[in-house]
Amino acid sequence: GENVEQHPSTLSVQEGDSAVIKCTYSDSASNYFPWYKQELGKRPQLIIDIRSNVGEKKDQRIAVTLNKTAKHFSLHITETQPEDSAVYFCAARSGGSNYKLTFGKGTLLTVNP
Amino acid sequence: EAQVTQNPRYLITVTGKKLTVTCSQNMNHEYMSWYRQDPGLGLRQIYYSMNVEVTDKGDVPEGYKVSRKEKRNFPLILESPSPNQTSLYFCASRDRGRSDTQYFGPGTRLTVL
Repeated sequence: GENVEQHPSTLSVQEGDSAVIKCTYSDSASNYFPWYKQELGKRPQLIIDIRSNVGEKKDQRIAVTLNKTAKHFSLHITETQPEDSAVYFCAARSGGSNYKLTFGKGTLLTVNP
Repeated sequence: EAQVTQNPRYLITVTGKKLTVTCSQNMNHEYMSWYRQDPGLGLRQIYYSMNVEVTDKGDVPEGYKVSRKEKRNFPLILESPSPNQTSLYFCASRDRGRSDTQYFGPGTRLTVL
């Protein structure tokens, strides 16, 4: 089955700096890659996603890039703010499955004021 | 208001005492899923359902059962809970259509003594 590796497990940045979180996946047929943000004590919420036919997607300060050849995708957050502090999860949906999502283990991002 | 609800939100029980965690969504979504979240392990899919009476195993189905008799409900059943099932459980749903957005419930924190 699909295997998703996520790095780093923790990331600390200064307010205003950029943050990058990277994930690799194993199933070359995977076709959908969402990123979720989970604040302490809250449920995960989708912040951005990308499909396998697109190389990059942006939404204000957040961007995701996908390299299908290398089977990795990354989350980029620019101009970080304290409210960006949370756990971020990447995920991959296996090819041939409409709903089987495999998550990475998460990255705890801390933005220091 | 579009939402996914879970009950109970917190539960402490003892080994072997059957329990059910309910999940309901009011968005007429075809797809529903159960995850467990454990520190350092991220979110792992337990079971998912593509529609009424259609379910399939995720990555960690052992010790769990599900049923999908109605479109809006997807209960998670632990026939004989054990301490290693102590975890935070999330139900989620999404539409079968163009949107891949998955909506999570608020979570159920289960402790098995």
